[in-house]
Amino acid sequence: AQKVTQAQTEISVVEKEDVTLDCVYETRDTTYYLFWYKQPPSGELVFLIRRNSFDEQNEISGRYSWNFQKSTSSFNFTITASQVVDSAVYFCALSVFSTGNTGKLIFGQGTTLQVKP
Amino acid sequence: GAGVSQSPRYKVAKRGQDVALRCDPISGHVSLFWYQQALGQGPEFLTYFQNEAQLDKSGLPSDRFFAERPEGSVSTLKIQRTQQEDSAVYLCASSLGAQSTEQYFGPGTRLTVT
Repeated sequence: AQKVTQAQTEISVVEKEDVTLDCVYETRDTTYYLFWYKQPPSGELVFLIRRNSFDEQNEISGRYSWNFQKSTSSFNFTITASQVVDSAVYFCALSVFSTGNTGKLIFGQGTTLQVKP
Repeated sequence: GAGVSQSPRYKVAKRGQDVALRCDPISGHVSLFWYQQALGQGPEFLTYFQNEAQLDKSGLPSDRFFAERPEGSVSTLKIQRTQQEDSAVYLCASSLGAQSTEQYFGPGTRLTVT
């Protein structure tokens, strides 16, 4: 079975602070994909990043960076110099393509990030 | 439109009523997923279609939930005899191929059962 855990329910920071959102996953499959999605108050899920299990290189995109560590089954997300527009719920998700698994996304419970001016 | 669309955006139903939620995926997308998102929770998988074939319905919570995609394009999620616990946002997502990893989500339908 697959599982995603986001232990932080809510985080509040002041604008320009750095913030890291934690994600821990469980799967027995050797091939899998990890995702981060943003859900602003409007409700639509916005895709941020996808990583496959064979690529542990960290990635940076502007103020966003992701740290994938297979040894600890973690895929953490850092926002540098946070802005008010970063306020949203962030979801980590896992998908597997194997017998009985059709690539459906397994989501964590989400972390609500509030960035105060 | 270029994205996934869902209708209605909001639906209020009295307990016991039947409802039908529509999803228009991106044109040409083979895969279609339905998810249910309860308040304060992450989305949870309901069912998956590859073209018109429903290949996975393991997430449907009861036999009151039924989904179809008869022509491999538009999909409808039907809930019979709605209950209060059915209140949630229902999200539809599509992806290009059977093994495509990127899913594009619609805006969701917020269902409130009173």
